Amino acid sequence: QVQLQQWGAGLLKPSETLSLTCAVYGGSFSGYYWSWIRQPPGKGLQWIGEINHGGSTNYNPSLKSRVTISVDTSKNQFSLKLSSVTAADTSVYYCARFTEAYGMDVWGQGTTVTVSS
Amino acid sequence: SYELTQPPSVSVSPGQTARITCSGDALPKQYAYWYQQKPGQAPLLVISKDSERPSGIPERFSGSSSGTTVTLTISGVQAEDEADYYCQSADSSGTYNVFGGGTKLTVL
Repeated sequence: QVQLQQWGAGLLKPSETLSLTCAVYGGSFSGYYWSWIRQPPGKGLQWIGEINHGGSTNYNPSLKSRVTISVDTSKNQFSLKLSSVTAADTSVYYCARFTEAYGMDVWGQGTTVTVSS
Repeated sequence: SYELTQPPSVSVSPGQTARITCSGDALPKQYAYWYQQKPGQAPLLVISKDSERPSGIPERFSGSSSGTTVTLTISGVQAEDEADYYCQSADSSGTYNVFGGGTKLTVL
């Protein structure tokens, strides 16, 4: 079955750029929106944005100025970059697969990112 | 910005029925999805497209929609259902997704 494996730096300093990558194993890369979601400690889920295999993106308006999501179809991977991070960006970051028919039905394992000076 | 509103907490005794609501202006136009999250785990999809139950999800989980409110119903609640539950949908134009604030289900 489809699995998502994600990785990236877990400790950043304020003003640095967060960079995470999610690889898709065992399934098709096309026909889905590939999403990033985050969860601050003790808080709820926040949708960050999504990309499809063709590179079409949608972003959360509150983060749009700092977020870039890209795709590498040759590797079945997609990536998140979040610039100018602050302590408020400290969260567990998840990647997930989304379709209107099935919702976010496959999730990565999560990556804890801490922003601290 | 678009918001989905959920009650912060719901408590029920084992065997009873739990109902968790999610309200949003665009829900008559956009599908809603429900996720269960247990501590230290990634969310798990339990309901898609308002009322469809994915394979492997117990039959006691069901979803419904009425106007600007969608409801997750858990019939015959079990101790293992204690978790945080989140609704998710899109804004009226379908441009971006939003999660509700989450509801903590406590099984007494």
